[in-house]
Amino acid sequence: NAGVMQNPRHLVRRRGQEARLRCSPMKGHSHVYWYRQLPEEGLKFMVYLQKENIIDESGMPKERFSAEFPKEGPSILRIQQVVRGDSAAYFCASSPNSGAEAFFGQGTRLTVV
Amino acid sequence: SQQGEEDPQALSIQEGENATMNCSYKTSINNLQWYRQNSGRGLVHLILIRSNEREKHSGRLRVTLDTSKKSSSLLITASRAADTASYFCATDGGGGSNYKLTFGKGTLLTVNP
Repeated sequence: NAGVMQNPRHLVRRRGQEARLRCSPMKGHSHVYWYRQLPEEGLKFMVYLQKENIIDESGMPKERFSAEFPKEGPSILRIQQVVRGDSAAYFCASSPNSGAEAFFGQGTRLTVV
Repeated sequence: SQQGEEDPQALSIQEGENATMNCSYKTSINNLQWYRQNSGRGLVHLILIRSNEREKHSGRLRVTLDTSKKSSSLLITASRAADTASYFCATDGGGGSNYKLTFGKGTLLTVNP
Protein backbone atom coordinates (compact mmCIF):
# COMPACT_ATOMS: atom_id res chain seq x y z
CA ASN A 1 0.00 0.00 0.00
CA ALA A 2 1.79 3.09 -1.24
CA GLY A 3 1.82 6.08 1.01
CA VAL A 4 0.67 9.57 0.13
CA MET A 5 2.29 10.49 -3.16
CA GLN A 6 3.09 14.05 -4.05
CA ASN A 7 4.57 15.35 -7.25
CA PRO A 8 6.65 16.99 -8.26
CA ARG A 9 9.07 16.84 -5.35
CA HIS A 10 10.70 20.06 -6.43
CA LEU A 11 9.20 22.80 -8.55
CA VAL A 12 10.82 26.01 -9.74
CA ARG A 13 8.65 28.78 -11.12
CA ARG A 14 9.33 32.32 -12.22
CA ARG A 15 7.29 35.11 -10.68
CA GLY A 16 3.92 35.36 -12.37
CA GLN A 17 3.77 31.73 -13.51
CA GLU A 18 1.35 29.12 -12.26
CA ALA A 19 2.26 26.25 -9.96
CA ARG A 20 0.31 22.99 -9.84
CA LEU A 21 0.98 20.58 -7.02
CA ARG A 22 -0.48 17.09 -7.05
CA CYS A 23 -1.36 14.73 -4.26
CA SER A 24 -2.58 11.16 -4.47
CA PRO A 25 -3.90 10.00 -1.08
CA MET A 26 -3.33 6.59 0.39
CA LYS A 27 -5.58 3.86 -0.92
CA GLY A 28 -8.91 3.96 0.83
CA HIS A 29 -8.46 7.53 2.08
CA SER A 30 -11.03 10.04 0.91
CA HIS A 31 -9.95 12.97 3.10
CA VAL A 32 -7.11 15.19 1.95
CA TYR A 33 -5.41 18.08 3.71
CA TRP A 34 -2.88 20.59 2.43
CA TYR A 35 -0.34 22.29 4.67
CA ARG A 36 2.38 24.83 3.98
CA GLN A 37 5.72 24.99 5.74
CA LEU A 38 7.79 28.14 5.53
CA PRO A 39 11.53 27.90 6.33
CA GLU A 40 12.22 27.30 10.02
CA GLU A 41 8.50 27.10 10.75
CA GLY A 42 5.98 24.42 11.58
CA LEU A 43 3.27 23.37 9.19
CA LYS A 44 0.25 25.62 8.72
CA PHE A 45 -3.14 24.25 7.70
CA MET A 46 -4.42 25.45 4.35
CA VAL A 47 -7.39 23.41 3.20
CA TYR A 48 -9.34 20.23 3.86
CA LEU A 49 -11.10 18.41 1.05
CA GLN A 50 -13.19 15.33 0.56
CA LYS A 51 -14.00 13.93 -2.82
CA GLU A 52 -15.43 16.76 -4.93
CA ASN A 53 -15.96 18.97 -1.86
CA ILE A 54 -14.00 21.66 -0.10
CA ILE A 55 -14.78 21.29 3.57
CA ASP A 56 -12.59 23.95 5.10
CA GLU A 57 -10.37 26.42 3.25
CA SER A 58 -9.89 28.80 6.14
CA GLY A 59 -6.10 28.58 5.94
CA MET A 60 -5.87 29.35 2.27
CA PRO A 61 -5.01 32.84 0.99
CA LYS A 62 -8.10 34.38 -0.55
CA GLU A 63 -6.43 35.19 -3.84
CA ARG A 64 -4.36 33.15 -6.31
CA PHE A 65 -4.73 29.87 -4.39
CA SER A 66 -7.25 27.16 -5.14
CA ALA A 67 -7.60 23.47 -4.42
CA GLU A 68 -9.67 20.64 -5.77
CA PHE A 69 -10.13 16.94 -5.20
CA PRO A 70 -12.05 15.54 -8.16
CA LYS A 71 -13.98 12.31 -8.22
CA GLU A 72 -11.19 10.74 -10.24
CA GLY A 73 -7.53 11.61 -9.99
CA PRO A 74 -5.32 13.37 -7.50
CA SER A 75 -5.97 16.44 -5.44
CA ILE A 76 -4.51 19.59 -6.98
CA LEU A 77 -3.26 22.70 -5.23
CA ARG A 78 -3.00 25.51 -7.72
CA ILE A 79 -1.16 28.77 -7.20
CA GLN A 80 -1.62 31.39 -9.86
CA GLN A 81 0.79 34.26 -10.53
CA VAL A 82 3.31 33.03 -7.99
CA VAL A 83 5.37 35.47 -5.96
CA ARG A 84 8.60 34.93 -4.03
CA GLY A 85 6.67 34.69 -0.78
CA ASP A 86 4.99 31.51 -2.07
CA SER A 87 8.32 29.69 -1.86
CA ALA A 88 7.77 26.97 0.73
CA ALA A 89 7.28 23.27 1.19
CA TYR A 90 3.70 22.17 0.55
CA PHE A 91 2.60 18.98 2.22
CA CYS A 92 -0.43 16.88 1.57
CA ALA A 93 -1.89 14.46 4.09
CA SER A 94 -4.72 11.96 3.89
CA SER A 95 -6.87 10.04 6.31
CA PRO A 96 -9.73 7.55 6.05
CA ASN A 97 -12.00 9.89 7.98
CA SER A 98 -11.77 13.18 9.83
CA GLY A 99 -10.09 12.99 13.18
CA ALA A 100 -8.15 9.85 12.30
CA GLU A 101 -4.40 9.65 12.04
CA ALA A 102 -3.19 11.70 9.09
CA PHE A 103 -0.38 10.40 6.90
CA PHE A 104 1.80 12.92 5.15
CA GLY A 105 3.48 12.87 1.79
CA GLN A 106 7.09 13.86 1.14
CA GLY A 107 6.06 17.34 0.13
CA THR A 108 6.62 19.57 -2.86
CA ARG A 109 9.26 22.22 -2.46
CA LEU A 110 8.29 25.26 -4.48
CA THR A 111 10.92 27.83 -5.30
CA VAL A 112 9.87 31.05 -6.97
CA VAL A 113 12.68 32.87 -8.74
CA SER B 1 2.61 30.87 23.23
CA GLN B 2 1.04 29.37 20.16
CA GLN B 3 -0.97 26.16 20.05
CA GLY B 4 1.32 23.16 19.88
CA GLU B 5 4.51 24.94 20.91
CA GLU B 6 7.52 22.75 21.51
CA ASP B 7 10.45 23.33 23.78
CA PRO B 8 13.35 23.35 23.74
CA GLN B 9 13.81 24.76 20.25
CA ALA B 10 17.03 22.81 19.91
CA LEU B 11 18.53 19.92 21.82
CA SER B 12 21.94 18.33 21.39
CA ILE B 13 22.81 15.07 23.13
CA GLN B 14 25.22 12.16 22.87
CA GLU B 15 24.25 8.82 21.43
CA GLY B 16 22.81 6.57 24.11
CA GLU B 17 21.35 9.40 26.15
CA ASN B 18 17.65 10.06 26.51
CA ALA B 19 15.99 13.03 24.84
CA THR B 20 12.92 14.75 26.22
CA MET B 21 10.89 17.27 24.28
CA ASN B 22 7.87 19.15 25.55
CA CYS B 23 4.80 20.56 23.91
CA SER B 24 2.27 23.01 25.29
CA TYR B 25 -1.06 23.95 23.80
CA LYS B 26 -3.91 26.30 24.59
CA THR B 27 -7.29 24.92 23.63
CA SER B 28 -9.04 21.64 24.30
CA ILE B 29 -8.07 18.78 22.05
CA ASN B 30 -9.23 15.35 20.95
CA ASN B 31 -5.81 14.02 20.07
CA LEU B 32 -2.18 15.05 20.15
CA GLN B 33 0.28 13.63 17.65
CA TRP B 34 4.04 13.67 17.40
CA TYR B 35 5.83 13.73 14.06
CA ARG B 36 9.45 13.55 12.98
CA GLN B 37 10.89 15.40 10.03
CA ASN B 38 14.34 14.76 8.70
CA SER B 39 15.99 17.73 7.03
CA GLY B 40 14.27 18.55 3.77
CA ARG B 41 12.00 15.53 3.97
CA GLY B 42 8.40 14.74 4.73
CA LEU B 43 6.78 14.09 8.07
CA VAL B 44 6.78 10.69 9.66
CA HIS B 45 3.99 9.96 12.10
CA LEU B 46 5.37 8.71 15.40
CA ILE B 47 2.52 8.38 17.83
CA LEU B 48 -1.01 9.57 18.55
CA ILE B 49 -2.30 10.00 22.08
CA ARG B 50 -5.96 10.64 22.77
CA SER B 51 -7.20 13.18 25.29
CA ASN B 52 -8.39 10.42 27.63
CA GLU B 53 -4.97 8.74 27.65
CA ARG B 54 -2.12 9.72 29.93
CA GLU B 55 0.78 7.74 28.56
CA LYS B 56 1.62 5.76 25.49
CA HIS B 57 4.64 3.75 24.39
CA SER B 58 5.97 2.76 21.02
CA GLY B 59 9.38 1.12 20.90
CA ARG B 60 11.88 3.63 22.29
CA LEU B 61 9.26 6.37 22.37
CA ARG B 62 7.21 7.35 25.38
CA VAL B 63 4.59 10.07 25.20
CA THR B 64 2.74 11.57 28.11
CA LEU B 65 -0.24 13.87 28.08
CA ASP B 66 -1.42 16.11 30.89
CA THR B 67 -4.67 17.75 29.81
CA SER B 68 -4.92 19.72 33.06
CA LYS B 69 -1.64 21.45 32.20
CA LYS B 70 -2.27 21.32 28.46
CA SER B 71 1.11 19.76 27.87
CA SER B 72 2.73 16.67 26.43
CA SER B 73 6.21 15.26 26.43
CA LEU B 74 8.04 12.97 24.04
CA LEU B 75 10.83 10.86 25.45
CA ILE B 76 13.24 9.04 23.18
CA THR B 77 15.31 6.54 25.10
CA ALA B 78 18.78 5.27 24.16
CA SER B 79 19.03 7.77 21.34
CA ARG B 80 20.83 7.02 18.10
CA ALA B 81 22.47 9.26 15.51
CA ALA B 82 19.60 8.33 13.17
CA ASP B 83 17.18 10.04 15.57
CA THR B 84 18.62 13.40 14.50
CA ALA B 85 15.64 15.30 13.11
CA SER B 86 13.06 17.94 13.93
CA TYR B 87 10.19 16.79 16.12
CA PHE B 88 6.77 18.41 15.98
CA CYS B 89 3.71 18.03 18.08
CA ALA B 90 0.37 18.61 16.42
CA THR B 91 -2.96 19.11 18.11
CA ASP B 92 -6.35 18.85 16.56
CA GLY B 93 -8.86 21.56 17.15
CA GLY B 94 -11.31 19.47 19.12
CA GLY B 95 -15.03 19.72 18.65
CA GLY B 96 -16.04 20.25 15.07
CA SER B 97 -12.58 20.85 13.67
CA ASN B 98 -10.88 17.67 14.78
CA TYR B 99 -9.31 17.32 11.35
CA LYS B 100 -7.28 20.53 11.48
CA LEU B 101 -3.83 19.95 12.93
CA THR B 102 -1.96 22.83 14.51
CA PHE B 103 1.79 22.38 14.56
CA GLY B 104 4.43 24.06 16.65
CA LYS B 105 7.76 25.20 15.27
CA GLY B 106 9.43 22.00 16.38
CA THR B 107 12.41 20.87 18.38
CA LEU B 108 15.60 20.24 16.44
CA LEU B 109 17.25 17.21 17.99
CA THR B 110 20.89 16.47 17.23
CA VAL B 111 22.29 13.17 18.42
CA ASN B 112 26.07 13.14 18.29
CA PRO B 113 27.79 9.80 17.67
